[in-house]
Order: sequence, then C-alpha cells, then structure tokens
Amino acid sequence: DTAVSQTPKYLVTQMGNDKSIKCEQNLGHDTMYWYKQDSKKFLKIMFSYNNKELIINETVPNRFSPKSPDKAHLNLHINSLELGDSAVYFCASSKMGDTGELFFGEGSRLTVL
Amino acid sequence: AQKITQTQPGMFVQEKEAVTLDCTYDTSDQSYGLFWYKQPSSGEMIFLIYQGSYDEQNATEGRYSLNFQKARKSANLVISASQLGDSAMYFCAMREGQTGANNLFFGTGTRLTVIP
Repeated sequence: DTAVSQTPKYLVTQMGNDKSIKCEQNLGHDTMYWYKQDSKKFLKIMFSYNNKELIINETVPNRFSPKSPDKAHLNLHINSLELGDSAVYFCASSKMGDTGELFFGEGSRLTVL
Repeated sequence: AQKITQTQPGMFVQEKEAVTLDCTYDTSDQSYGLFWYKQPSSGEMIFLIYQGSYDEQNATEGRYSLNFQKARKSANLVISASQLGDSAMYFCAMREGQTGANNLFFGTGTRLTVIP
C-alpha cells in the first residue's frame, strides 16, 4: 500500500492552462505539505496544512491554490500556467509531535510548453 | 542566510569504501532536528537518518551514520561500505524548533557516484 500517493505522475501542458495535482496519504498523519523541486534539484516548501488548516504559505504566486478537503488529502491547483512552473512537485506528510520526518509521495513532474 | 549548506555538489567514491557528505546548518533555536534524504535517479525521496539536537549519541541506521558536531553546527552523513545502489542525490535538511507542524529546510544536495 502506497503511503503518500500523488496523481498524475507526469503532466505536460501548454502555457496558460489550468491543472491540478492530487495527493492522498493513508498514514493517519495530520500535517501535509507541498514542496517544489526546481531544475537544479532545490526543494522548497510551498504550503503546509494541519488538520485541513493552512499553516504555512510561502511566497508563492496566488495562481497556486492548495485545497485540503480532509486531513488525508491535499490537492494543488495551478491557474494560468507559466514556463517557470515546470518542476517536480512533491506532496509530503508528517505526524505532529513526531520528529518532523517527512514522508514523500513519488512526485509529479510538470512540464509547461 | 542559508539554513542548510552542502558544499559538495558532487562526490565520487570507490565501491566498498566509506564516504562522508558534508552538511552545516544555521539556527538560533535550541531544539531542532536534522535529517538526511536520498533521491535516486527514479526521483523518490527516501528518508535515511535523523538526529535530534538534544541527542547525545550520533544516530546510526545500518550503513549510515550521522556525525553530529553541535558546536560546529555540522551534521555530516557517513556511508560505510559503499554500494553501486548508493549512487544518488543526498539532501541534508533541518526542522527548526520543537516538533510540530514544521516544514523542513533543505540543502542544495550532493550527487554521489559510486565507482565499481
């Protein structure tokens, strides 16, 4: 059973389109995250939700909108895609009160043409 | 200032030898956690090892050990008896503050290549 699963794994789309990436975790964790890994492999936090509440919202264009329908799901919607949005997006989860270890999904590679 | 610094963009090691990947961190918190993750070419992020700031002993997990030097703010990863499958990107990361809904700050990574 996959602990943190993201779909789709690959996304190729045109500039200006809107796309969504879905994430689900079955670990019973209460905190979920979106990280962006750029072409130089640098990983940076975008958003974090704890029990469906937004707690971290880094400097990310407001074209990116996370949604957490329940604590097991965190989706990422991106409007008006730009070339610079091309990256790998990782969903992750962690358990409050634990070490802070992140459990990552497999990543979703977004390519904007 | 960077919270996590990995100064080695790439490292080579002979199979069966040991290798040390460097990591220094910057925080004013007394409570923090340090992590190492491995990212093979397939892209997934694999947790390797954790060290809490109050842990007095260096963490070990199989062939991985974390050389924690608090005064120098360094948390180097030592991989013993390297294997071909160890070839990957390695990321050092830090959680600041008490455990909670904290994000991790990542370094820029070190690409390790194991030579047969």
